[in-house]
Amino acid sequence: EVQLLESGGGLVQPGGSLRLSCAASGITLGTYAMSWVRQAPGKGLEWVSSVKSGGNAYSADSVKGRFTISRDNSKNTLYLQMTSLRAEDTAIYYCAKSVVGTYRGFDGWGQGTLVTVSS
Amino acid sequence: QSALTQPASVSGSPGQSITVSCTGTSRDVGGYDYVSWYQQHPGKAPKLITYDVNKRPSGVSDRFSGSRSGNTASLTISRLQTEDEADYYCASYTSSDTLVFGGGTQVTVL
Repeated sequence: EVQLLESGGGLVQPGGSLRLSCAASGITLGTYAMSWVRQAPGKGLEWVSSVKSGGNAYSADSVKGRFTISRDNSKNTLYLQMTSLRAEDTAIYYCAKSVVGTYRGFDGWGQGTLVTVSS
Repeated sequence: QSALTQPASVSGSPGQSITVSCTGTSRDVGGYDYVSWYQQHPGKAPKLITYDVNKRPSGVSDRFSGSRSGNTASLTISRLQTEDEADYYCASYTSSDTLVFGGGTQVTVL
């Protein structure tokens, strides 16, 4: 059974940085495309970033240049490095595993980690 | 990339069928067979219920079915049950090699 466990969320000031982690068990992370999806309080889902099994990474325009997705296959862990954080980045951040390919569907989700950007 | 368009809410009585729509463009929903649907109960992570327009992951009830016509995808829930009350989101691959979600639909079982 796939288990994804996010960590690293918390309260950060505008302009600050934070690194989220997603530890995977039950799968070999490197064989799947992995993504980050966020959900602002009371709002809908928003795709943030994906890294394909081959290593190519893609991000939403709203975070491009500020957020970097990466993976450490030896640690079976996915990361999201977030810099220049803004109030509108406040959200629950979920890591998600692709069922096949990269964007065809996410069949594994973590429980989420809350990031709050506020002074 | 603009969010896909979903109705804010849809309701139905137990045993009935309901359909949730998801409208995009030829650059996303209408252009690729990569539309997925998710169910989210309050305080929980989303759950994949269909992918590749009309495929169901193992363990998902056959009461859920996906389809598409032109630039509009649809999720039909048959034989509606109380536990189907949740938020539903569509998502689609786009021509920019990104993913876009719909705004979400609240399904209420009357």
